[in-house]
Amino acid sequence: DTGVSQDPRHKITKRGQNVTFRCDPISEHNRLYWYRQTLGQGPEFLTYFQNEAQLEKSRLLSDRFSAERPKGSFSTLEIQRTEQGDSAMYLCASSQGQVDTEAFFGQGTRLTVV
Amino acid sequence: GQNIDQPTEMTATEGAIVQINCTYQTSGFNGLFWYQQHAGEAPTFLSYNVLDGLEEKGRFSSFLSRSKGYSYLLLKELQMKDSASYLCADIGNTGFQKLVFGTGTRLLVSP
Repeated sequence: DTGVSQDPRHKITKRGQNVTFRCDPISEHNRLYWYRQTLGQGPEFLTYFQNEAQLEKSRLLSDRFSAERPKGSFSTLEIQRTEQGDSAMYLCASSQGQVDTEAFFGQGTRLTVV
Repeated sequence: GQNIDQPTEMTATEGAIVQINCTYQTSGFNGLFWYQQHAGEAPTFLSYNVLDGLEEKGRFSSFLSRSKGYSYLLLKELQMKDSASYLCADIGNTGFQKLVFGTGTRLLVSP
């Protein structure tokens, strides 16, 4: 396994368009997280899945954002009607087991809304 | 946990020792992580502390004082490749690993 994989690595879109990102976690990991990171800041939690169940969503995740993990494996994050403020790095992470085990992060998808 | 505070930037020279401090809110604390992030890359795990004391891993060590809401990451024998951002993060009492990160400390190692 090569780790957490995210696609695409970069996305430039016009304001108002919809975008979808994909995350493939490490295969045996049941926990999957999405974070958003802007320049000079640490990652901010967006949402969490345990298997296919979405157990928590941050208030940062407006109605324009939706995430799925249909079969408990890969996950998608969709942003509808993108705004310039959505420009950021979107990071996916996965982990397995107890709360103290490390989360492995993907390389991220850098979104630029023009 | 949460309300993570760490310095924005630090500089050091190759071969030196540097200590990066982090303070956090003690209520609801369940553990503290340190991650390293090179520019444009994913954060990578360095250490996890949940009990008081020092955890050593090669050139990197991490310390925790739960009563003071304080942690530090100690980097010894600095190398140029250690230039990166160092992210302190805690996990609350949600039952899963929801990491709350500080802004990160950007470390610049010079020759």
